[in-house]
Amino acid sequence: ETGVTQTPRHLVMGMTNKKSLKCEQHLGHNAMYWYKQSAKKPLELMFVYNFKEQTENNSVPSRFSPECPNSSHLFLHLHTLQPEDSALYLCASSLRTSGEPGELFFGEGSRLTVL
Amino acid sequence: GQNIDQPTEMTATEGAIVQINCTYQTSGFNGLFWYQQHAGEAPTFLSYNVLDGLEEKGRFSSFLSRSKGYSYLLLKELQMKDSASYLCAGMDSNYQLIWGAGTKLIIKP
Repeated sequence: ETGVTQTPRHLVMGMTNKKSLKCEQHLGHNAMYWYKQSAKKPLELMFVYNFKEQTENNSVPSRFSPECPNSSHLFLHLHTLQPEDSALYLCASSLRTSGEPGELFFGEGSRLTVL
Repeated sequence: GQNIDQPTEMTATEGAIVQINCTYQTSGFNGLFWYQQHAGEAPTFLSYNVLDGLEEKGRFSSFLSRSKGYSYLLLKELQMKDSASYLCAGMDSNYQLIWGAGTKLIIKP
């Protein structure tokens, strides 16, 4: 138990579906992150939120839409995805000070399969 | 460009010692992290080095050489539960984390 909870753990969707991934942290952290993890590839940072404000968007396609209503919750809205978007999506949180991320606390991830 | 290199896979025997190497090229440097990730689980923090030298935490130690752009994670008295992927990440001058692809460690009895 890392203090970061992600739902659903597994998701299968067609290319025309719309779904959302949810992340919740109970650690009192001020920063939240979405990462994409594909087999045998480095973690890819997608989005960073600091105190609910998006501070980074690493050229992520618009079919991925993040939402951060407060410092404890983070969503990733998915629509018209492609099969190559199939991956493990990891949420993380940290106590970010002066731009330094510090130790990241990860959720167990949402395994997404796009058919 | 920025890059982290680490071996894809390593195999070791229970009770032995294994060293997982990581070389990094970053624009500036603000430290290096190691994370452990068991299959199907969340990555968890193992260590952070920003100064040269060895940091020991029980059976795990992490070493950094800034002049060589090199780090290693040393695991002693290996246990079956140490079978996992080990992720190396360097932090650049903008505090961006540059991740390696991970080293899958297989422990055999």
